[in-house]
Amino acid sequence: QVQLVQSGAEVKKPGASVKVSCKASGYTFTGHYMHWVRQAPGQGLEWMGWINPNSGDTNNAQKFQGRVTMTRDTSISTAYMELRRLRSDDTAVYYCARGYGGYDWDSVAASHWGQGTLVTVSS
Amino acid sequence: QSVLTQPPSASGTPGQRVTISCSGSTSNIGSNFVCWYQQFPGTAPKLLIYRDDQRPSGVPDRFSGSKSGTSASLAISGLRSEDEADYYCAAWDDSLSGLVFGGGTKLTVL
Repeated sequence: QVQLVQSGAEVKKPGASVKVSCKASGYTFTGHYMHWVRQAPGQGLEWMGWINPNSGDTNNAQKFQGRVTMTRDTSISTAYMELRRLRSDDTAVYYCARGYGGYDWDSVAASHWGQGTLVTVSS
Repeated sequence: QSVLTQPPSASGTPGQRVTISCSGSTSNIGSNFVCWYQQFPGTAPKLLIYRDDQRPSGVPDRFSGSKSGTSASLAISGLRSEDEADYYCAAWDDSLSGLVFGGGTKLTVL
């Protein structure tokens, strides 16, 4: 079965960087987009971007451009999301989520989600 | 302020049919597929509907999606207490070149 297992919770100071990992299993890692979505405490879902694990191409939400980098290591079926210059309002649960379809418009839907990684930014 | 607009709350009694609306624009709902998610507190979202009205395997047919113009709806029939959760709509936005979510609707089963 499809599984996405994320790295553990992090506590960071303002201005620091955080890198969250997402290890995939149960499917062909290079066959589906990987989304990154975050959720601040008590707030809604916010799309950060996605990566094509096959090519490494990324598309980041305008809000995060210049601060976020999405990468992957196909040899270990793992995607990464690094967010730099952290602020207190970056405190959130960060999710990786696999696109539903292959590289088609069904990929916009996220069918399998990681367990989430809580990133706390505090001085 | 979310790009897609959902009512913050909705409610119904067991057995009832409830609908949750999602309003957007020509750059998102009006030209791209809509999907819907269900989220319980402390857990990851679950995909309920994709491609406007398609259910992934395992999603009960009590859940249905529809779209007209720049608005979409999620309907839940035969409401159950376990349907009490937050529901989010999402769609690709051509102007933003990214995925946008609604602000979410908290469904209460009375």
